Amino acid sequence: GAVVSQHPSWVICKSGTSVKIECRSLDFQATTMFWYRQFPKQSLMLMATSNEGSKATYEQGVEKDKFLINHASLTLSTLTVTSAHPEDSSFYICSARPIRTGPVDTQYFGPGTRLTVL
Amino acid sequence: AQTVTQSQPEMSVQEAETVTLSCTYDTSESDYYLFWYKQPPSRQMILVIRQEAYKQQNATENRFSVNFQKAAKSFSLKISDSQLGDAAMYFCAYRPFRGSSNTGKLIFGQGTTLQVKP
Repeated sequence: GAVVSQHPSWVICKSGTSVKIECRSLDFQATTMFWYRQFPKQSLMLMATSNEGSKATYEQGVEKDKFLINHASLTLSTLTVTSAHPEDSSFYICSARPIRTGPVDTQYFGPGTRLTVL
Repeated sequence: AQTVTQSQPEMSVQEAETVTLSCTYDTSESDYYLFWYKQPPSRQMILVIRQEAYKQQNATENRFSVNFQKAAKSFSLKISDSQLGDAAMYFCAYRPFRGSSNTGKLIFGQGTTLQVKP
């Protein structure tokens, strides 16, 4: 089955530093990757849509200068939280949409990254 | 804009019994996909079942089945013979079928936490 990995799974950083989270599709190529943010016991909030080789599309209210997204290849997208602050502490989840899809194309989710900003 | 509503923040079911989780959505599209995802304590999103709106037949996957009422814009999930491993947060999600607006992004409901009692 299709597998998506995220690294790191858990990161603690000091306020003001930047943190990079990687999302990789391990056994398929992804035209599109999505980045979500999830607070405890809440739903997933889409932050941005990332397409390989082009600029990411950010959802309304998401600061693109704070959450930098780079989709450098068909198997890797990165999310960099710049100048992180405690309010950025959250669970970040990525998903990947394969290039080749069946009758119903399905997104595959990574296991998530827990970010804690002190 | 499309919206997805899950009106039951929490549900509980006795092991081996049946439970139904509710979901309603709002859209002006005629073609779309609907999904139920499970998020256990590990936070890994797992696809439970999906439904294409153009199909009248309700989708089933082993103990999981849906009641898709297109006119009422309702998409409930029935879990039969509930097991302890079914305990998780369940999310209903919507995705447009095609068109310029179809980036593949999912719109999630608020989620329902299911407790399974032994």
